Amino acid sequence: DGGITQSPKYLFRKEGQNVTLSCEQNLNHDAMYWYRQDPGQGLRLIYYSQIVNDFQKGDIAEGYSVSREKKESFPLTVTSAQKNPTAFYLCASTLDGDRIYGYTFGSGTRLTVV
Amino acid sequence: QQPVQSPQAVILREGEDAVINCSSSKALYSVHWYRQKHGEAPVFLMILLKGGEQKGHEKISASFNEKKQQSSLYLTASQLSYSGTYFCGTRTLARQLTFGSGTQLTVLP
Repeated sequence: DGGITQSPKYLFRKEGQNVTLSCEQNLNHDAMYWYRQDPGQGLRLIYYSQIVNDFQKGDIAEGYSVSREKKESFPLTVTSAQKNPTAFYLCASTLDGDRIYGYTFGSGTRLTVV
Repeated sequence: QQPVQSPQAVILREGEDAVINCSSSKALYSVHWYRQKHGEAPVFLMILLKGGEQKGHEKISASFNEKKQQSSLYLTASQLSYSGTYFCGTRTLARQLTFGSGTQLTVLP
């Protein structure tokens, strides 16, 4: 079955460390997104990519970086510049940039700073 | 700008109806609705495009009032499985999908 795979499910980061969250999809979707969710809050857009080798900043891009070298993959790096990274991170994809179709989400990565 | 959802939380008994509202100050191209169970990924319910259409399936439906930039999600004869947090997402021509802060729905037996 097609879907989005995020790994790891849980991740612990020490102060000053960079960590990378993986997101892979086999849906043949062009557009991919990274969202951050804090407890009791909605989803906030970090970065998105509508085509390979191109991506744009979302509303809260500071302290994060991404790459899109392959259509299937959109990894997110949380850098040491992100001062409050503890959150639930969700990756999503869509066929047409959400103009007609909805998003398919991965199961998420819960990141905790220790 | 984030859409405003109301109510923030609602508690129902099985079989009762609920309405969740979503409003924006921007001219909208489309509205999405998602449901998220605790600790899980949001699941897409439906999308409503500019044009004021109403969509739905079974006992969950939604409307989009283009003039007021508002959408409503209707849950009729609620079931235990309807419990979760419902998010609306709004899209303008200039911006990517922006999500509201969610409405927590609890259905009790």
